[in-house]
Amino acid sequence: AQSVTQLGSHVSVSEGALVLLRCNYSSSVPPYLFWYVQYPNQGLQLLLKYTSAATLVKGINGFEAEFKKSETSFHLTKPSAHMSDAAEYFCAVSRGSSNTGKLIFGQGTTLQVKP
Amino acid sequence: GAVVSQHPSWVICKSGTSVKIECRSLDFQATTMFWYRQFPKQSLMLMATSNEGSKATYEQGVEKDKFLINHASLTLSTLTVTSAHPEDSSFYICSSQPLRGSYEQYFGPGTRLTVT
Repeated sequence: AQSVTQLGSHVSVSEGALVLLRCNYSSSVPPYLFWYVQYPNQGLQLLLKYTSAATLVKGINGFEAEFKKSETSFHLTKPSAHMSDAAEYFCAVSRGSSNTGKLIFGQGTTLQVKP
Repeated sequence: GAVVSQHPSWVICKSGTSVKIECRSLDFQATTMFWYRQFPKQSLMLMATSNEGSKATYEQGVEKDKFLINHASLTLSTLTVTSAHPEDSSFYICSSQPLRGSYEQYFGPGTRLTVT
């Protein structure tokens, strides 16, 4: 069975600082991994995805994530935080041995950006 | 880009009544749609998988007679919360998958249900 753990339910950074949101996964099969962002009272927007191609994945809004099999991690980073990055971020793994589309989400990390 | 809409965006209903939530894929056909539930400050939990023209598949612990799902066309799925109770108050989010087996899926903006 797959699972996702996001370390840190709340992360606070200053504007312009590095953003690092941690995600570790557990999977008995090669995983498909995703990062989504959710703004208040809105649905989820895909930031980036890993689907067994390049281990360093670049997404929208300057975010990127690196798949590290040895560490079972898929941490999300952004070199310089903007105020508009303040939101809830979810790491997710696709459930099952093939991509069924069913996603298992982590608990979420709230990113606060201070001026 | 792929757009998924939900209607209504928020609804308040009285305990014991039923509420229908629509999920539409506006510019693509969705072979599969998913319904999630999100409690405040919590993650999304998959409720059911809806395939066009067939019965929905519910996750363990989700009452299929309470949460009725209909996927009548390739662009529309509905979730009906029957005999709603205050504990059903939540944020309901749908997502649409253009191709079965594809990792691509697009999320709707969500529907906030409050049962009084």
